[in-house]
Amino acid sequence: DAGVIQSPRHEVTEMGQEVTLRCKPISGHNSLFWYRQTMMRGLELLIYFNNNVPIDDSGMPEDRFSAKMPNASFSTLKIQPSEPRDSAVYFCASSFLAGAGEQYFGPGTRLTVT
Amino acid sequence: GENVEQHPSTLSVQEGDSAVIKCTYSDSASNYFPWYKQELGKRPQLIIDIRSNVGEKKDQRIAVTLNKTAKHFSLHITETQPEDSAVYFCAASIAARGNTGKLIFGQGTTLQVKP
Repeated sequence: DAGVIQSPRHEVTEMGQEVTLRCKPISGHNSLFWYRQTMMRGLELLIYFNNNVPIDDSGMPEDRFSAKMPNASFSTLKIQPSEPRDSAVYFCASSFLAGAGEQYFGPGTRLTVT
Repeated sequence: GENVEQHPSTLSVQEGDSAVIKCTYSDSASNYFPWYKQELGKRPQLIIDIRSNVGEKKDQRIAVTLNKTAKHFSLHITETQPEDSAVYFCAASIAARGNTGKLIFGQGTTLQVKP
């Protein structure tokens, strides 16, 4: 099993540009989570999906952030326009549905907005 | 809202000593409590978890205890080794409003094991 796959692994962009982060969950997992990690705020849940449906997006910082899951094997997190304060490591994680269970994290995308 | 408090934020121990990290949670309906280890520059990885129908669970040098009445749980690492140095996160599941699978993470504890 390849595990959760994220791309790109590193992204450097200028303020105002659009950024798209991609995630492929583990095959057979029904839940997908997007997290943001910074030194100041720790590990924050942005949004999560069950069976491709967004369940809770209360962690999404503002309208500049959007996430989609068009099918069971792909999700995107988009930031438009990006700002320097969006610089962070963004993790995608997946797990089985049916209650709380282990979340498997991807390698993360390190985003730097200059 | 739901939250998880984790203490201490940093912990330094001598190799061979024990380390204890404590967490408290607010949602009395939480029923799943995982612990993740994150090495520098790596992803968080599950090291042990416990469910609410169990008070204690052990896996070699690590153990977790849960006190549902007091709403706190702890991670115990015995005979610490330098490779245990990492950031450790506790988490609690959220059951409110029918959420399933959602975890709230603590702020993390940076453990340093000195050789």
